[in-house]
Amino acid sequence: GAVVSQHPSRVICKSGTSVKIECRSLDFQATTMFWYRQFPKKSLMLMATSNEGSKATYEQGVEKDKFLINHASLTLSTLTVTSAHPEDSSFYICSAMRDYEQYFGPGTRLTVT
Amino acid sequence: GQQVMQIPQYQHVQEGEDFTTYCNSSTTLSNIQWYKQRPGGHPVFLIQLVKSGEVKKQKRLTFQFGEAKKNSSLHITATQTTDVGTYFCAGPSGGSNYKLTFGKGTLLTVNP
Repeated sequence: GAVVSQHPSRVICKSGTSVKIECRSLDFQATTMFWYRQFPKKSLMLMATSNEGSKATYEQGVEKDKFLINHASLTLSTLTVTSAHPEDSSFYICSAMRDYEQYFGPGTRLTVT
Repeated sequence: GQQVMQIPQYQHVQEGEDFTTYCNSSTTLSNIQWYKQRPGGHPVFLIQLVKSGEVKKQKRLTFQFGEAKKNSSLHITATQTTDVGTYFCAGPSGGSNYKLTFGKGTLLTVNP
């Protein structure tokens, strides 16, 4: 149990376009999900906390208008990277909270050309 | 803000050798969690330590939480090639028990 999926696994987009990434908890409900960003060979940087039915809480330095988060149901949170630029290229990972454990999705590799 | 430091950043061992990674927090932690991320994969929860001085074992892995609840260690006995990956410690941050601050991780490589 406790499986989290992410879609897409890889995406290449042109500079200026927007990309939506989905995070789903497949076999449990998650009122809280988290979005992280990971640079190559680096640690995970928490971007925001996604709360079902309410606005996301963003970490300091993360632009909420740039990274739109919607947590419309207990099993789905989406991250939309708006007007993407090459510096947004990264590995984006979501996690869903169950009890005290965070279950991570497989990640989405975003490349902005 | 809270900082979670981890050393070493990299560790290369021969198969069969032991391995230890250390984690230190700038603040006292209510708990500490450990995750493993295989190359190309995503972090997978290993364990959570809550009590001061707690020691937990999972087969060849031994996890310790310091008496002051500011440091922790993960020790692997007799490493195997399947142990390859990055090991992260993480502690609660921002006054929340749910948000985590991750250490930078220790990348373990094992020479067969």
